[in-house]
Amino acid sequence: TQLLEQSPQFLSIQEGENLTVYCNSSSVFSSLQWYRQEPGEGPVLLVTVVTGGEVKKLKRLTFQFGDARKDSSLHITAAQPGDTGLYLCADSGTYKYIFGTGTRLKVLA
Amino acid sequence: DADVTQTPRNRITKTGKRIMLECSQTKGHDRMYWYRQDPGLGLRLIYYSFDVKDINKGEISDGYSVSRQAQAKFSLSLESAIPNQTALYFCATSETGELFFGEGSRLTVL
Repeated sequence: TQLLEQSPQFLSIQEGENLTVYCNSSSVFSSLQWYRQEPGEGPVLLVTVVTGGEVKKLKRLTFQFGDARKDSSLHITAAQPGDTGLYLCADSGTYKYIFGTGTRLKVLA
Repeated sequence: DADVTQTPRNRITKTGKRIMLECSQTKGHDRMYWYRQDPGLGLRLIYYSFDVKDINKGEISDGYSVSRQAQAKFSLSLESAIPNQTALYFCATSETGELFFGEGSRLTVL
């Protein structure tokens, strides 16, 4: 059974700071997705990455997929209170969508 | 109206009771999923269905059952609820790779 570990589990930072969260898999990802979940809502897709070494940018968010396709990072530049939420990585291969343990981020104004 | 609707949104019940959580979608997707969310454990897959006649167990199916009544409807049942099934439950749909989630059903078993 594939296990996805995310770190850190919790992160509280001040507005304007940079941060990086990580996702590590016990086996090679088929394809990797990052979701963000805001309080009281379901997760929403941020990005899908497929190729080892791939880097994608979404405004202030930068997603990197490891060369060996077993790890990924999400870097946020100049964090804002609106970035607050639970960040989840997932393996979307074969449409089974196995999720990681999540990183809960709080950005203080 | 939401594309993926879950009912009820909140439910408190007692140990041993039968509970059904319902999910309906207007996205026309064939794939539907039930997940359970617990603090520190992320989302864990309970059951998934690729079409009306194709239902599969996920990581944590023990104590749960499902019914796919139509393409648009996927229900999750707890035949005899126990306290450690207290959690936030999410239904989701997919067609081309992105999961679309409902707003969740919070279940408390006393």
